Amino acid sequence: KAGVTQTPRYLIKTRGQQVTLSCSPISGHRSVSWYQQTPGQGLQFLFEYFSETQRNKGNFPGRFSGRQFSNSRSEMNVSTLELGDSALYLCASGNLFAPSVGELFFGEGSRLTVL
Amino acid sequence: DQQVKQNSPSLSVQEGRISILNCDYTNSMFDYFLWYKKYPAEGPTFLISISSIKDKNEDGRFTVFLNKSAKHLSLHIVPSQPGDSAVYFCAASGADGLTFGKGTHLIIQP
Repeated sequence: KAGVTQTPRYLIKTRGQQVTLSCSPISGHRSVSWYQQTPGQGLQFLFEYFSETQRNKGNFPGRFSGRQFSNSRSEMNVSTLELGDSALYLCASGNLFAPSVGELFFGEGSRLTVL
Repeated sequence: DQQVKQNSPSLSVQEGRISILNCDYTNSMFDYFLWYKKYPAEGPTFLISISSIKDKNEDGRFTVFLNKSAKHLSLHIVPSQPGDSAVYFCAASGADGLTFGKGTHLIIQP
């Protein structure tokens, strides 16, 4: 069974640009969550989608947005990039209606560097 | 305000001894707790979990203890092995999904 796939794995952008990251969940999983990992801050929750609907949102500015498609694949977008957006962005999928209860399966992440 | 706290950024333990990783939380509405393990350049992987109605869950070398009155949980690894060297994240489940701590870097020394 294929795992969670995130693309691209690495990317470099400059301040002011925008970026789109993609996540393909495990086949059959309907929930996708996004997390930002930075040194010293751990894993910070961005948002969660279930059946194309955003169900939860973390405390991030409106520059961070996402969506989920009918095939459960998800994208997140960050506009007007800032240096502080440099981080590892992790996508996780779950197969429960209430994915917060139980384990999430994480992808390897997309490492974003903003110069 | 951080709802899930891992107060030790790093922990060094000798191979074969017990590793104890701690986690404190503030939200009494959390109903499920999980531990994840992360190696560099990989995504976190699920390790073990515990429901809030239990006080202990064991899986091989890994045991998680929950003290609801103290809002504290701990992960015990015994015996510790070199492959256990990783960052361990504590996570709590609530109405807003999973809330993670900042992680503890466990280093197993030979």
